[in-house]
Amino acid sequence: AQRVTQPEKLLSVFKGAPVELKCNYSYSGSPELFWYVQYSRQRLQLLLRHISRESIKGFTADLNKGETSFHLKKPFAQEEDSAMYYCALRNAGGTSYGKLTFGQGTILTVHP
Amino acid sequence: KAGVTQTPRYLIKTRGQQVTLSCSPISGHRSVSWYQQTPGQGLQFLFEYFSETQRNKGNFPGRFSGRQFSNSRSEMNVSTLELGDSALYLCASSIRGGGNTEAFFGQGTRLTVV
Repeated sequence: AQRVTQPEKLLSVFKGAPVELKCNYSYSGSPELFWYVQYSRQRLQLLLRHISRESIKGFTADLNKGETSFHLKKPFAQEEDSAMYYCALRNAGGTSYGKLTFGQGTILTVHP
Repeated sequence: KAGVTQTPRYLIKTRGQQVTLSCSPISGHRSVSWYQQTPGQGLQFLFEYFSETQRNKGNFPGRFSGRQFSNSRSEMNVSTLELGDSALYLCASSIRGGGNTEAFFGQGTRLTVV
């Protein structure tokens, strides 16, 4: 069975500090990994996905298959980064058809 | 383009009743997935529809069902409501539901069962 673990329910940092949101997964197949973000009173939206290897809003995430991790990092946090962050996994094999398995989420608060 | 639209936004129902939620996907998206979000269990996958066919199903009882119409709009139905069904129900649409395609979420329907 596939599982996504986000060990930190709450994470607080000060503006300008580095931030790392942890995500570990267990899955025997070939996974697609995503980070979704939900800002206050907004809908859940995709932040980035591992296949794209891109940086969005200064955030990056590297898939480490050896450690089965997909941690989200930003070198200098901003107050507008305060939000709920979800790590999610999908079977890349094509048979999962729309099923995303989410972690429990991490609430990031960036203090001024 | 218009995003994923879910109606209604809020619902209050009594135990034992049934409820139908609606989701209109982004134009051109043929895959619609449903999720239940609760404080205790987080986001859990209910089912996915593509071209009017259910292709995938999560671990929910048969009281939870859905369907998809030829215009890709989807409905989700919960019969014999229980207090534990109180949750935010999210719908997500994507072009084909897999292959690294992005899922776009609606605002959700907040269901309260009393």
